[in-house]
Amino acid sequence: EAAVTQSPRNKVTVTGGNVTLSCRQTNSHNYMYWYRQDTGHGLRLIHYSYGAGNLQIGDVPDGYKATRTTQEDFFLLLELASPSQTSLYFCASGDIQAPLFGEGTRLSVL
Amino acid sequence: KTQVEQSPQSLVVRQGENCVLQCNYSVTPDNHLRWFKQDTGKGLVSLTVLVDQKDKTSNGRYSATLDKDAKHSTLHITATLLDDTATYICVVGDRGSALGRLHFGAGTQLIVIP
Repeated sequence: EAAVTQSPRNKVTVTGGNVTLSCRQTNSHNYMYWYRQDTGHGLRLIHYSYGAGNLQIGDVPDGYKATRTTQEDFFLLLELASPSQTSLYFCASGDIQAPLFGEGTRLSVL
Repeated sequence: KTQVEQSPQSLVVRQGENCVLQCNYSVTPDNHLRWFKQDTGKGLVSLTVLVDQKDKTSNGRYSATLDKDAKHSTLHITATLLDDTATYICVVGDRGSALGRLHFGAGTQLIVIP
């Protein structure tokens, strides 16, 4: 069964902290995406990738790095977390016409 | 500038009633439009996708319309159930290829009460 798994589901860190969010897909999809969701806004694209070793910049990339180590695994890195990065983060895989979303990671930066 | 506007922001209906959610957008080009359901604290689950210039789809108690000339879509939910309580998100894809982007609305929060 097609799946996108995110970990952790919840994370609390302090300002200036280092955070890594993980995403694994078992769908053999080339494309993977990281989005953030904030109240009153639609999902906004942070970074995306079309294969292992590839990285593309999204619409709100500032403060975020990402790395695609394998076709299955896509990581989002916050090296100096700030309170403005408190959000619900979603990973997705698949093409633009039929993306599959993970369950989300809720990140709080205190 | 927000390119996908959903209304109402929130809606309360009684179980068994019907409801209609609206989506207006300015995305150009507009290749397709998809409606998602998002339960609280969960991921987005696709309900239906619309592609044609004037399109209609049906998926059980969910039905949707799209008018690309008006850049407008509706999602109808018939005979609502308590499990329909969720946020419904309208998403417009501007291309049919990997070069495209998805444009997300902020969602309509639907609450179904007994």
